[in-house]
Amino acid sequence: DGGITQSPKYLFRKEGQNVTLSCEQNLNHDAMYWYRQDPGQGLRLIYYSQIVNDFQKGDIAEGYSVSREKKESFPLTVTSAQKNPTAFYLCASSIRLEAQHFGDGTRLSIL
Amino acid sequence: DQQVKQNSPSLSVQEGRISILNCDYTNSMFDYFLWYKKYPAEGPTFLISISSIKDKNEDGRFTVFLNKSAKHLSLHIVPSQPGDSAVYFCAANKGFGNEKLTFGTGTRLTIIP
Repeated sequence: DGGITQSPKYLFRKEGQNVTLSCEQNLNHDAMYWYRQDPGQGLRLIYYSQIVNDFQKGDIAEGYSVSREKKESFPLTVTSAQKNPTAFYLCASSIRLEAQHFGDGTRLSIL
Repeated sequence: DQQVKQNSPSLSVQEGRISILNCDYTNSMFDYFLWYKKYPAEGPTFLISISSIKDKNEDGRFTVFLNKSAKHLSLHIVPSQPGDSAVYFCAANKGFGNEKLTFGTGTRLTIIP
């Protein structure tokens, strides 16, 4: 059954550490996205990638990095430069002319 | 600058009645609009969409209306069911299909049995 898998569901990070969130899709979608959701706010775009080996910054890219080495995978690294990393992170994918499909998210907390 | 606004953070509706969720936007370049439904600790699920060349799109119990002159869209759910209780996000972008969706802040809908 096709879908988007985000792991882990819950993640804890110590101050000053980098942490990588996984996103894998088997939908054969070309485009992939990372969003951040904070309480009472909508989803804000961090990075997106329309094809392998290419990605663009979204609205809140500072403190984050991504890679797109394979079509199926779009990992997000939250670096120590991200001052307020505690949030719910959502990965999505899509093909042209269709709506984005989302994974179930990773909740990141700072210890 | 909030380009997509959902001014009602919450809404309660009796089971069987109509639920109407509203969304306003400010960017006149938006021409494709979507509604997503989200349960706690899950990702959003796509519900229905509409392009700017239409003013209505219907799918079962869900109908989306678009008023381009007012930069307003609404989602109607008829009849409302307990499983409809969730947070609903409207989203918009500048091209039909994908990339760079701008989301509203969401409306929590509660269906009262």
